[in-house]
Amino acid sequence: KQEVTQIPAALSVPEGENLVLNCSFTDSAIYNLQWFRQDPGKGLTSLLLIQSSQREQTSGRLNASLDKSSGRSTLYIAASQPGDSATYLCAVDPGTASKLTFGTGTRLQVTL
Amino acid sequence: EPEVTQTPSHQVTQMGQEVILRCVPISNHLYFYWYRQILGQKVEFLVSFYNNEISEKSEIFDDQFSVERPDGSNFTLKIRSTKLEDSAMYFCASNSDRGYEQYFGPGTRLTVT
Repeated sequence: KQEVTQIPAALSVPEGENLVLNCSFTDSAIYNLQWFRQDPGKGLTSLLLIQSSQREQTSGRLNASLDKSSGRSTLYIAASQPGDSATYLCAVDPGTASKLTFGTGTRLQVTL
Repeated sequence: EPEVTQTPSHQVTQMGQEVILRCVPISNHLYFYWYRQILGQKVEFLVSFYNNEISEKSEIFDDQFSVERPDGSNFTLKIRSTKLEDSAMYFCASNSDRGYEQYFGPGTRLTVT
């Protein structure tokens, strides 16, 4: 059974700092990995999707990497801003049924 | 930009009552999903739906749950007899093909009293 873990559970950084969020998964037989942002009490906003054949994906200040063989992905946020404060979730897709398995999330707070 | 919509945003119901949660997926998408998130816990997969039938369901999705696409735009989740433990945020999602990016709706917060 696929298990997805995210470390750290919570992170507080000053504005402008670069930061890395980690995601690990136990079963490397994935089709893709998706990173989401969730604001308190709100829905999930898709940030990036990395296919299993890719190693990196970039969108603006966000860069996600994937090392499928070691079961790890990282989300790099450059020059963090207070508006980046949210919970970041990673989710893996086995492809066969596209049922996402989510991690526990990292709650990020960017302070002024 | 196309988006997934869900209604209602918040539903309060008494234990034992039936509820129907509604979703309008993105119009050209073919695969539809329901997930739920109990407060403070992980987002969990409930069911996937394609070509008017269930593709896969989790162990959570027991006989009390059903899904339907009653017309060309709506996708519904019905809980026949709600329990206290059904209280959660329910998210609908859709994508254009398996393995493609899933787009989530804003969620329906279900409170069972």
